[in-house]
Amino acid sequence: AQRVTQPEKLLSVFKGAPVELKCNYSYSGSPELFWYVQYSRQRLQLLLRHISRESIKGFTADLNKGETSFHLKKPFAQEEDSAMYYCALGSNYQLIWGAGTKLIIKP
Amino acid sequence: DTEVTQTPKHLVMGMTNKKSLKCEQHMGHRAMYWYKQKAKKPPELMFVYSYEKLSINESVPSRFSPECPNSSLLNLHLHALQPEDSALYLCASSMILRDSIHYEQYFGPGTRLTVT
Repeated sequence: AQRVTQPEKLLSVFKGAPVELKCNYSYSGSPELFWYVQYSRQRLQLLLRHISRESIKGFTADLNKGETSFHLKKPFAQEEDSAMYYCALGSNYQLIWGAGTKLIIKP
Repeated sequence: DTEVTQTPKHLVMGMTNKKSLKCEQHMGHRAMYWYKQKAKKPPELMFVYSYEKLSINESVPSRFSPECPNSSLLNLHLHALQPEDSALYLCASSMILRDSIHYEQYFGPGTRLTVT
């Protein structure tokens, strides 16, 4: 069965520290994976897609098929990164969502 | 225009009321979605429309009735809702290319619904 797992409900780090939000998936085939972010009182928005291999707002994510992971990383966290982060997998014309990780950046 | 808009922003309705939520996009996307989102939870898919036809209904109760009158508009008609239906209702859209739905979805700001 297709599934996305985000093991951490809450992640709290200090400003300037590295951040890694974990995402593991279960999927038979070539996955299409995404990271979405929801800032407080703002709409849910796409942050990264694995196909483009780009860096947005300093965040990167690498697909590791061997470990079935798509972890989100940033070397130096900023206070404006505080938000809810969702990992999602495209399957059967819909997105399968992880439970989300709330990231808090402490000053 | 690269945004999905939703109206109203907030809605309070009684259990016997009938109301509608509206969603609009002018990005030329031919797939549109309704989601329900509870606080601190991921969105739950309710309906998917592709080319203005309902293609996915995730076993949503009949008190929710979607409608896609044209390629830019998506409505969600509400009738006889329950208090547990109180949530943020999100609309999203995505492209369809060569009859394949793209998974990159663009979301509206949502309608905060309270059922009393």
